[in-house]
Amino acid sequence: GQQLNQSPQSMFIQEGEDVSMNCTSSSIFNTWLWYKQDPGEGPVLLIALYKAGELTSNGRLTAQFGITRKDSFLNISASIPSDVGIYFCAGPFSNFGNEKLTFGTGTRLTIIP
Amino acid sequence: DTEVTQTPKHLVMGMTNKKSLKCEQHMGHRAMYWYKQKAKKPPELMFVYSYEKLSINESVPSRFSPECPNSSLLNLHLHALQPEDSALYLCASSQGPSGSFEETQYFGPGTRLLVL
Repeated sequence: GQQLNQSPQSMFIQEGEDVSMNCTSSSIFNTWLWYKQDPGEGPVLLIALYKAGELTSNGRLTAQFGITRKDSFLNISASIPSDVGIYFCAGPFSNFGNEKLTFGTGTRLTIIP
Repeated sequence: DTEVTQTPKHLVMGMTNKKSLKCEQHMGHRAMYWYKQKAKKPPELMFVYSYEKLSINESVPSRFSPECPNSSLLNLHLHALQPEDSALYLCASSQGPSGSFEETQYFGPGTRLLVL
């Protein structure tokens, strides 16, 4: 099935550092979503992107919809402890006429004290 | 109110038990979803209900039985589960019918299920 590959798989950073992660696909997507999941909780939507080339910010978070429509990037500036968690990209994928949301493999962010 | 609630938060059951997971939203959303998430993996779609009708079943074993009693409620009935079914079960809802991903999917906190 369709797979979204995220990199890096995990990141260990110090508080205050900037973070960059990306998500790639072999297929074209018309929508890219970025979710964050805290331990024991459901994913929370951070940013939604609907147009190739679009750059959208949400506070310290900025995400871009790649111009090829096969990738997306998420940047976090000046990281803080509450940024710890798993970040998933997601996009709708059509399978035999049914469209469903496919999640990426995830990037786990850890902040080193 | 953008909240999706799920009960129970944790559930331990034996392989011969019958239990149900419940999900509720009061946002007027017409699409509701069940996902299964194993540790360190992304959520995997199980079922989609659109306007209270099952629109997608991702080849889920029959020991999982979804039910949508009304537009605000979504249940997942569990029977004769296996230990490998232990996972976090997430419910989500979105405004439009299935496939309208211009609308955001809002997730509940999940039910952590352990099958012994």
